[in-house]
Order: sequence, then structure tokens, then C-alpha cells
Amino acid sequence: KAGVTQTPRYLIKTRGQQVTLSCSPISGHRSVSWYQQTPGQGLQFLFEYFSETQRNKGNFPGRFSGRQFSNSRSEMNVSTLELGDSALYLCASSFGNEGNEQFFGPGTRLTVL
Amino acid sequence: GENVGLHLPTLSVQEGDNSIINCAYSNSASDYFIWYKQESGKGPQFIIDIRSNMDKRQGQRVTVLLNKTVKHLSLQIAATQPGDSAVYFCAENPSGTYKYIFGTGTRLKVLA
Repeated sequence: KAGVTQTPRYLIKTRGQQVTLSCSPISGHRSVSWYQQTPGQGLQFLFEYFSETQRNKGNFPGRFSGRQFSNSRSEMNVSTLELGDSALYLCASSFGNEGNEQFFGPGTRLTVL
Repeated sequence: GENVGLHLPTLSVQEGDNSIINCAYSNSASDYFIWYKQESGKGPQFIIDIRSNMDKRQGQRVTVLLNKTVKHLSLQIAATQPGDSAVYFCAENPSGTYKYIFGTGTRLKVLA
């Protein structure tokens, strides 16, 4: 079956703009988690959605938000982009229970100029 | 991978030798752990997992060991191959949560 897909794969924006990234989970998976990956900070948890509800949230400012649709697809939005938001944004899906295997997509590389 | 070698511990291993990658996890309440492999330009790839009621689990050429007393995980790769060159991350799932906390990663370089 198809893996986790993310669109777009690459994105270039300028400071102050906003961006929306999309993630389609593995079929049957109801949980989608988002992570930010940078050389300096590693993989940082942003938030997790299950059945259209945010269940967990990391320590990121309110400029970072997300949502999940009834088909489990998820989007994350970053408003008022800053240079430091340049990163690889990864989404991962699982069935949504504790201790479930979590599988990652290829990521969206965001560059903020 | 995304974690540039400046801040990333690196393990260099001769092709054919065994590799051992270590990880110290942070939360004593974590009861599920995953090892991931990340190649350059790709997302992390699931390798093997282990639950806290086990201390060892084997896969194909890989073994994960869990020591809950000292909060330590290790990943052993047998007969390391050039294709094993990547950054390896451990991730812990604290009990009662649906999130994963990732270690800083280790870069594995396989020398021909």
C-alpha cells in the first residue's frame, strides 16, 4: 500500500508570508504527527492529530497551526514566516494508539528568504 | 540526513563489521521505542521497535537492546554494508501520550 505522502516537496517563501503544507497518511491510519527538522535542533515535535482533533502539541509558537480532515489528511500552516522557520517539515502517520508504529513521509523542505 | 555532522556523533565502521549505535532516552515513563534510519534527502525510515516489557528484539540483521534501569537503547547492525550509511535516530513514546521524542541522532559511515 502507498506510504505517507507530502506536498509540496520543496517550497521557497519570503519572510512575512504564510505557507500551508499537506500530508496524506497511510490508508487506515488515523493519526498524523508533524515534526520540524533542522541541523541545530534535530527532530522537534510540532503536534499530533487524531480524528480531526489535536491531541498533543509541542513547544512551538502560535504561528504554527494544523488541522486534520475527515479522511485523515492533514495540513499544517505557518504564518508570518521567519528565517528560522527554514527546515524540513516531516509528517508521520500511525493507527493512533499508544505504542503504534509510526511511519514518515519524505518531508517538505521549506526555505525562507 | 538533516543533522549535519558538526553536531552529530559519528560512528565509522569497516564494511562487514558489526555496528553498535547507542541512545540514552529521557523519560522513565516511556514504554515504546523505535529506531529510524534517515538517508540524505529522505524522511526517517522505520527499522525496528521494542516495548518496555522486552529487553531484546531481533530483526533482519538488526537487534535492539533495551536497558530500562539506565534508560539506554542500542541498535546493533550485523555485517554492516555501504547501504547502511545514514543517520540513525531513536524515538521514545512516553506512556499516556501520543507523541514521540527523538534523540539527536548518530551518523553511521561505512568504510569500504
